[in-house]
Amino acid sequence: EPEVTQTPSHQVTQMGQEVILRCVPISNHLYFYWYRQILGQKVEFLVSFYNNEISEKSEIFDDQFSVERPDGSNFTLKIRSTKLEDSAMYFCASSEGFLMGSEAFFGQGTRLTVV
Amino acid sequence: AQSVAQPEDQVNVAEGNPLTVKCTYSVSGNPYLFWYVQYPNRGLQFLLKYITGDNLVKGSYGFEAEFNKSQTSFHLKKPSALVSDSALYFCAVRDILAGNNRKLIWGLGTSLAVNP
Repeated sequence: EPEVTQTPSHQVTQMGQEVILRCVPISNHLYFYWYRQILGQKVEFLVSFYNNEISEKSEIFDDQFSVERPDGSNFTLKIRSTKLEDSAMYFCASSEGFLMGSEAFFGQGTRLTVV
Repeated sequence: AQSVAQPEDQVNVAEGNPLTVKCTYSVSGNPYLFWYVQYPNRGLQFLLKYITGDNLVKGSYGFEAEFNKSQTSFHLKKPSALVSDSALYFCAVRDILAGNNRKLIWGLGTSLAVNP
């Protein structure tokens, strides 16, 4: 069964450093997403991406964040200068098509720890 | 504002008993509703969804959920719980009036513990 894969599973970084979280969405999917979950809190939407551009982003997704689909298979989330409060589980997801009812399929997550 | 509430942090049931995990929502238009499950150290797995049609929807692993528009609820149910159902369950909603965006609004999650 096709699945979304994320690497690395755990990333530890020093405050102020740049990190890139990587995702390989399901191959025939058209919409891509990043969500995050701070420990003990809700899953929060960060950004959605369609047709090589951001289609929606939340207020969390400020200038420190960027997304890219560099080669038609990978989908990356970059945090330019990490802060302690960026420590969270980051989930990548993809969904099939234009229908609003399409469910999103999630990767296993990358646990980012900023020290 | 769009929101999802899961009023119970934890639900405990005995194996073989029916289980219910509650979810209520608030959206401006009609909702698309989803349930996901998260096992330890795993991602979010899709269980089932309500889009339109029959209010009772069936999903993976014997789970079902009932959409109740008047009560704005979408409770997850299973007739006979298994120990292996123990996990974290998330309810999520997408507002079909929210333009072309597809973001999901999530509840806080409910931890289900099924005791042998």
